[in-house]
Amino acid sequence: GAGVSQTPSNKVTEKGKYVELRCDPISGHTALYWYRQSLGQGPEFLIYFQGTGAADDSGLPNDRFFAVRPEGSVSTLKIQRTERGDSAVYLCASSLGEQDTQYFGPGTRLTVL
Amino acid sequence: GDSVTQMEGPVTLSEEAFLTINCTYTATGYPSLFWYVQYPGEGLQLLLKATKADDKGSNKGFEATYRKETTSFHLEKGSVQVSDSAVYFCALSELSGSARQLTFGSGTQLTVLP
Repeated sequence: GAGVSQTPSNKVTEKGKYVELRCDPISGHTALYWYRQSLGQGPEFLIYFQGTGAADDSGLPNDRFFAVRPEGSVSTLKIQRTERGDSAVYLCASSLGEQDTQYFGPGTRLTVL
Repeated sequence: GDSVTQMEGPVTLSEEAFLTINCTYTATGYPSLFWYVQYPGEGLQLLLKATKADDKGSNKGFEATYRKETTSFHLEKGSVQVSDSAVYFCALSELSGSARQLTFGSGTQLTVLP
């Protein structure tokens, strides 16, 4: 079956611009996670959704980052006024329930020039 | 807070060599422990997991045992293959509020030469 998909696979933007990154979870998975992976590091947690609501957004670095999941399926991570330090691979994962195995998408590589 | 420390890379081995990648953790409760693998050009995949002390996770010839007394979850394989070349991440998860977020180590790059 289809896995987690993320679009775009690559995004290059200029400092100060706004970007949206999309995640399509595995069908039927209620839990959705966003992580950020900087070069040479492991992924770091950003935010977790259970259904439509953000159950834990403690990993968002600041108020320029925001994520939504309006219908409990697709999620969008939004970054305002991008900075060069935001350059990283943004990973999405989904799981059947909150205590189940997380399946990861291929990631979106964001480069802020 | 929770943290995971894993063996610095890169690691280069010859085919059929024995592999150990060390992983230790710090956690406030009783976490579940995981090894994820990232093959070149692919996304993170769960390799194996263990949910309580003394459990052994295994998959594709890889094994890791949850050692609470030493807070470790070392990854081992008796005979590596070229196809095992990848980046390996140790991770833990602990219920935090309603979430089961993963905390990852920094990854170990493994290269297996023919």
